[in-house]
Amino acid sequence: SQTIHQWPATLVQPVGSPLSLECTVEGTSNPNLYWYRQAAGRGLQLLFYSVGIGQISSEVPQNLSASRPQDRQFILSSKKLLLSDSGFYLCAWSVSWGPSTNEKLFFGSGTQLSVL
Amino acid sequence: DQQVKQNSPSLSVQEGRISILNCDYTNSMFDYFLWYKKYPAEGPTFLISISSIKDKNEDGRFTVFLNKSAKHLSLHIVPSQPGDSAVYFCAANRHQFYFGTGTSLTVIP
Repeated sequence: SQTIHQWPATLVQPVGSPLSLECTVEGTSNPNLYWYRQAAGRGLQLLFYSVGIGQISSEVPQNLSASRPQDRQFILSSKKLLLSDSGFYLCAWSVSWGPSTNEKLFFGSGTQLSVL
Repeated sequence: DQQVKQNSPSLSVQEGRISILNCDYTNSMFDYFLWYKKYPAEGPTFLISISSIKDKNEDGRFTVFLNKSAKHLSLHIVPSQPGDSAVYFCAANRHQFYFGTGTSLTVIP
């Protein structure tokens, strides 16, 4: 069966420090991978998605970047964190990508990031 | 531009009663809709989905209704249980997943 691992679960970082959140998926090949953020009291905002190694699409211009060095590994990074980067970050995967897909999105357990 | 909207940020229901969570969307090209349940400090988990070729899908206590002409879907939970207390996200899928802002459901024992 497929599983998704995301770490760390919680992170407290000072403003201006770098960030690296990692996500790996097991039990599937060539998944679509996503990074979402849930800010306090808000919905799920898509930050990045990837349909293959080295292929990253950014949905929202921001202080963050993403990379996919391996098929089942997705990394969210920042060189210098801002206060506004605080939030709950979620990695997710899906099987297929197309105009009429009935696929589901499967989420990791999330990382609570507090930038102080 | 919020293409999927959940206009009720919160809902309180007595245990045993029906919970109805609503969701509206703007893009008539959406053809697959999903509901996710999220507990605090956890990732959302898939609950139930419906294809646009149907108007109802049922799974145990959970039923999703789709009204395409009104661009509206709803999730019914009957009977509601305290363990159902969570944030519920509506989502639509076309090329990517579009999420609503969530409705926090509290089931009162």
